[in-house]
Amino acid sequence: DQQVKQNSPSLSVQEGRISILNCDYTNSMFDYFLWYKKYPAEGPTFLISISSIKDKNEDGRFTVFLNKSAKHLSLHIVPSQPGDSAVYFCAASRYNFNKFYFGSGTKLNVKP
Amino acid sequence: KAGVTQTPRYLIKTRGQQVTLSCSPISGHRSVSWYQQTPGQGLQFLFEYFSETQRNKGNFPGRFSGRQFSNSRSEMNVSTLELGDSALYLCASSVRGFNSPLHFGNGTRLTVT
Repeated sequence: DQQVKQNSPSLSVQEGRISILNCDYTNSMFDYFLWYKKYPAEGPTFLISISSIKDKNEDGRFTVFLNKSAKHLSLHIVPSQPGDSAVYFCAASRYNFNKFYFGSGTKLNVKP
Repeated sequence: KAGVTQTPRYLIKTRGQQVTLSCSPISGHRSVSWYQQTPGQGLQFLFEYFSETQRNKGNFPGRFSGRQFSNSRSEMNVSTLELGDSALYLCASSVRGFNSPLHFGNGTRLTVT
């Protein structure tokens, strides 16, 4: 039961440009959304999160947008850097329910 | 602050054997969750422990079990290993409050032959 989906397995972007990673979910009960970055041979690293009471959250070069009516969230990275090349996972959970549903990941390649 | 520590990093086992994986959470984190990652799949939730009690469980067979100790360290056990159990097993800890993110260890890579 894939409740969180990342439909783009890969994305290639030029250094300095914007990277936009997308994520869709099906469960309207989800109210907490996160993005993780994963390098090979390492565990996922928490990047940024957003609760359902907001539609945007920024942290430096990273901004997450939430569109509740479309059940869609996106991660914008501006400007993209070669060190951002990694697999990005989106995740979602319900209020006070510490079980997270993850997408299958998008591999971002930032070309110098 | 030390991160989440998982041991061992790599394991090779034979079908039918059992295996135990260990996880030490970030100091002060009382919730420990386990996830399985297989090629092409996202992370699949196995279970969560808080205060030595299993709080949530994913859709995995009973061969997968876990426990948590009074110091919040956790172990995961897989019995009667199958080839399909080959995966990266990730442990994550959190404070389990409202809107608290998971913090992951580097995982244990299990290969079943």
